[in-house]
Amino acid sequence: KNEVEQSPQNLTAQEGEFITINCSYSVGISALHWLQQHPGGGIVSLFMLSSGKKKHGRLIATINIQEKHSSLHITASHPRDSAVYICAVVSGAQKLVFGQGTRLTINP
Amino acid sequence: GAGVSQSPRYKVAKRGQDVALRCDPISGHVSLFWYQQALGQGPEFLTYFQNEAQLDKSGLPSDRFFAERPEGSVSTLKIQRTQQEDSAVYLCASSRQADYGYTFGSGTRLTVV
Repeated sequence: KNEVEQSPQNLTAQEGEFITINCSYSVGISALHWLQQHPGGGIVSLFMLSSGKKKHGRLIATINIQEKHSSLHITASHPRDSAVYICAVVSGAQKLVFGQGTRLTINP
Repeated sequence: GAGVSQSPRYKVAKRGQDVALRCDPISGHVSLFWYQQALGQGPEFLTYFQNEAQLDKSGLPSDRFFAERPEGSVSTLKIQRTQQEDSAVYLCASSRQADYGYTFGSGTRLTVV
């Protein structure tokens, strides 16, 4: 079993829909990252969380440390949001342990 | 520079050839990481430097993989006698210090033919 599990693996939605991507982890962590990766592109860091909730524009990230669970929400989704979203946790000596990613496609 | 720079962006190597991948982190970033991302998978940890010291190399898949950061800034990941299973995107990330965010490079896509 992977230490970081994401769901769903693939998600297709219509423009304007509210999107939720989930991440569960099984190890102790000092922080959790949500990352965005476009096809052929590098990785962009969206959020780093150690507790509570963060909001940036149409993106919201929450974390529940007790339940070892985090969610990434996108409000009013747009085709340009189409990308792979990756959850990664900082466990041990700083190194990131990644989930397998969620491929999001937003259709116009 | 403003971001983490990796070169080359793309590399095609013949099986058995040696390759060297470069990462130029953000100036002043103490921590530097290398990750390997196979097609359709999440990145996996290879190795980690704090300044010039390689503190963790537990993710290097074989002794054909070698990484260095001799002056605590630019890092090079070298793969000797490349094999087809080495084909992947190699990502570099740097961080100012522990518990700070990471900045990723655009990666080097290595294809071994």
